[in-house]
Amino acid sequence: DTGVSQNPRHKITKRGQNVTFRCDPISEHNRLYWYRQTLGQGPEFLTYFQNEAQLEKSRLLSDRFSAERPKGSFSTLEIQRTEQGDSAMYLCASSFGGGVLEQYFGPGTRLTVT
Amino acid sequence: DAKTTQPPSMDCAEGRAANLPCNHSTISGNEYVYWYRQIHSQGPQYIIHGLKNNETNEMASLIITEDRKSSTLILPHATLRDTAVYYCTAGGTSYGKLTFGQGTILTVHP
Repeated sequence: DTGVSQNPRHKITKRGQNVTFRCDPISEHNRLYWYRQTLGQGPEFLTYFQNEAQLEKSRLLSDRFSAERPKGSFSTLEIQRTEQGDSAMYLCASSFGGGVLEQYFGPGTRLTVT
Repeated sequence: DAKTTQPPSMDCAEGRAANLPCNHSTISGNEYVYWYRQIHSQGPQYIIHGLKNNETNEMASLIITEDRKSSTLILPHATLRDTAVYYCTAGGTSYGKLTFGQGTILTVHP
């Protein structure tokens, strides 16, 4: 299966530490999205890339968050100086742009900040 | 993005049709309706989308009202594996994001 993959699947970190997550999209997909999901809520949009260009960022994405997609393939999401409120599931999705936006999601990275 | 409203929970007997409603009264003319579902501890899974006409695929059917202010997702023969949170969302082809509400928790009973 060549779906969207995310690593790590789980991350426990102490408050104040930096963490980085990786997303590998479906290979022919040029759009890549990051979402955050907390318990009992639907996913919330964070940012999206078309190829290597970051085209939209949510106001949820504070200056402690940065995302990159350097060669238009995989993407990384880094959170600096983590806070307990950053504890959530971080979801990555990809789609083939230029048409209807069927997004294919990865399994997510669950972050716990202690 | 159009705001969507869904009931928080629904029950369905196994083998029966599950009809999940969604209200999207503020949808604009070029916005599609999308349905996703999320099984516990997994990422959301795309189910179906539509603009004006009713749509059917191997997973479900989507019925959109003529005024496009609401839609219904139909799972024709629900199974226990269809127990999940179902999200209705709306967006256009030029949008980079999907806006999810809290969805409907569908529980399929034996």
